[in-house]
Amino acid sequence: GAVVSQHPSWVICKSGTSVKIECRSLDFQATTMFWYRQFPKQSLMLMATSNEGSKATYEQGVEKDKFLINHASLTLSTLTVTSAHPEDSSFYICSPRGRASAFFGQGTRLTVV
Amino acid sequence: TQLLEQSPQFLSIQEGENLTVYCNSSSVFSSLQWYRQEPGEGPVLLVTVVTGGEVKKLKRLTFQFGDARKDSSLHITAAQPGDTGLYLCAGAGNNAGNMLTFGGGTRLMVKP
Repeated sequence: GAVVSQHPSWVICKSGTSVKIECRSLDFQATTMFWYRQFPKQSLMLMATSNEGSKATYEQGVEKDKFLINHASLTLSTLTVTSAHPEDSSFYICSPRGRASAFFGQGTRLTVV
Repeated sequence: TQLLEQSPQFLSIQEGENLTVYCNSSSVFSSLQWYRQEPGEGPVLLVTVVTGGEVKKLKRLTFQFGDARKDSSLHITAAQPGDTGLYLCAGAGNNAGNMLTFGGGTRLMVKP
């Protein structure tokens, strides 16, 4: 399977600070990147879709100014949670797409205190 | 909007029992994928089914895609504690970028 590297694996931050999550596709070029959020005991919820070099498309209810997505290259995308609040605590997962099948990063557990 | 209903949501069984997880939709998918996810990790792809009526086997796991490509099932034979985890089905439509629609997930616990 494809190699996807997401980091950090977990992060604890104070309310009001920003956190950047990186997602790299190591052995293929990801023309599209999907970012998901997963709350405990729930399925994955799509937050946004980005194509390399273009602005991200956000799902309804996801604040684009709060969740900044950068997809500047075919192998790297970042999600920045700005001015984080406790309700942003969740498991964030990236999924770079360049093939028919989907592969996922290892996920980032964000805890905002 | 394509929706996938996955059932059951939770399943607790004894080692050695068989089980089936279902994924149903009113929409047609170009392909359907099954994932297994362990706590604190990303989903790991188990199988992709593409053709209506297709059956794929992965050791004790049997995956089936409905003839109309609207539903799928995952059957586990003689479940083992190592099968414990969250099972997710995800359908791919014909949209740009191969966006996946996820089912709600089935949390399986196999007791020794």
